[in-house]
Amino acid sequence: EVQLLESGGDLVQPGGSLRLSCAASGFTFNDYSMTWVRQAPGKGLEWVSAIIGSGTTFYADSVKGRFTISRDNSKTTLYLQMNGLRAEDTAVYYCAKAPVWATHHGVDVWGQGTTVIVSS
Amino acid sequence: NFMLTQPHSVSESPGKPVTISCTRSSGSIASNYVQWYQQRPGSAPTTVVYEDNQRPSGVPDRFSGSIDTTSNSASLTISGLKTEDEADYYCQSYDSNNHGVFGGGTKLTVL
Repeated sequence: EVQLLESGGDLVQPGGSLRLSCAASGFTFNDYSMTWVRQAPGKGLEWVSAIIGSGTTFYADSVKGRFTISRDNSKTTLYLQMNGLRAEDTAVYYCAKAPVWATHHGVDVWGQGTTVIVSS
Repeated sequence: NFMLTQPHSVSESPGKPVTISCTRSSGSIASNYVQWYQQRPGSAPTTVVYEDNQRPSGVPDRFSGSIDTTSNSASLTISGLKTEDEADYYCQSYDSNNHGVFGGGTKLTVL
């Protein structure tokens, strides 16, 4: 069974940093691209970032230059390093798996999410 | 960049079919795959359709996706509505730089 388990969410002050992790199991991790999606309180879904198996990365304009997506295929874990956090980054962050190696085919499995709150 | 526009809400009775639309504002709807995600209250999203019309394993065939280049839109059709289908539904696609774009979501009420 494919499983994705996010962790690392916390309360952080504006300007602070946080690293989210997503532990994957049940599939050959390096064969699939992975994506982060977030949802602010009471709002819709927002695409954040994606990474293919070889490491090529993609970012939403709202996070480019502040967030870094990475993966450790040996640990089957996806990461999101978030720097320069702003109040508008407050959201539940979901990791999700693509159905194929490429990123533009959507996602077929989601994690349960981890909550990031940016507030003083 | 383009936008994906969905109706804010739709409602239908159990057993009936319902269709949710997703209209792309510019560029062809066929130029990038369209996905549909279901999110029940208080839960994480799940995928009901990816790559325009593919269902992940475990998703019943009551859920079907399609695209229409004439109207430049995608549709999610749910046949034989059940009360458990009541949820928010989001369409999603990609721009030419492989950046994801979400629709604003549609609240489905099963009366």
